Amino acid sequence: KNQVEQSPQSLIILEGKNCTLQCNYTVSPFSNLRWYKQDTGRGPVSLTIMTFSENTKSNGRYTATLDADTKQSSLHITASQLSDSASYICVVSGGDYKLSFGAGTTVTVRA
Amino acid sequence: EADIYQTPRYLVIGTGKKITLECSQTMGHDKMYWYQQDPGMELHLIHYSYGVNSTEKGDLSSESTVSRIRTEHFPLTLESARPSHTSQYLCASSEIGATGELFFGEGSRLTVL
Repeated sequence: KNQVEQSPQSLIILEGKNCTLQCNYTVSPFSNLRWYKQDTGRGPVSLTIMTFSENTKSNGRYTATLDADTKQSSLHITASQLSDSASYICVVSGGDYKLSFGAGTTVTVRA
Repeated sequence: EADIYQTPRYLVIGTGKKITLECSQTMGHDKMYWYQQDPGMELHLIHYSYGVNSTEKGDLSSESTVSRIRTEHFPLTLESARPSHTSQYLCASSEIGATGELFFGEGSRLTVL
């Protein structure tokens, strides 16, 4: 069983609307959590990193949250744009720096 | 913009052929990785390296081999390709350390007929 579960698997939103992606993990001990954005046909690019002591971090219209007690993270996209259409991957680093990947959420933004 | 490059981007070959996927990075990173990515699935680590002359197998068993003769170069070779090898292969690099941001290449999509 994968130690990082993402939901939903995919979603479609209208341009300008907001959306929230979820990441639940069981990795322990925990070092940090990253959200990556992967455009179609490209490699993933890091959006944010969350460490144990951080609850919220923003990168432009992307805001990530972390609840280390419940082992949940979310990525909120505000005022979506067509360029936000991509796969968003949650990656958790354990105490031994081993990385566990989620399967990703595919976001499609429609005009 | 990450300075890590993969070639070829797309490759269609017949069964039994030998192929090498190239990966180079100009960031001076010690750690390099090869991941396999299939649609709707998480990335699976197939090989990694801590530096020159270091190569390790990842979590996913693979018939491919890698070499690390130079810091910047981490090629992956399949001696005899099969249809089951059809996949997207992503190369990545990182600095050694706790934060461990991965810098990915754009991927090599391999199709074996």
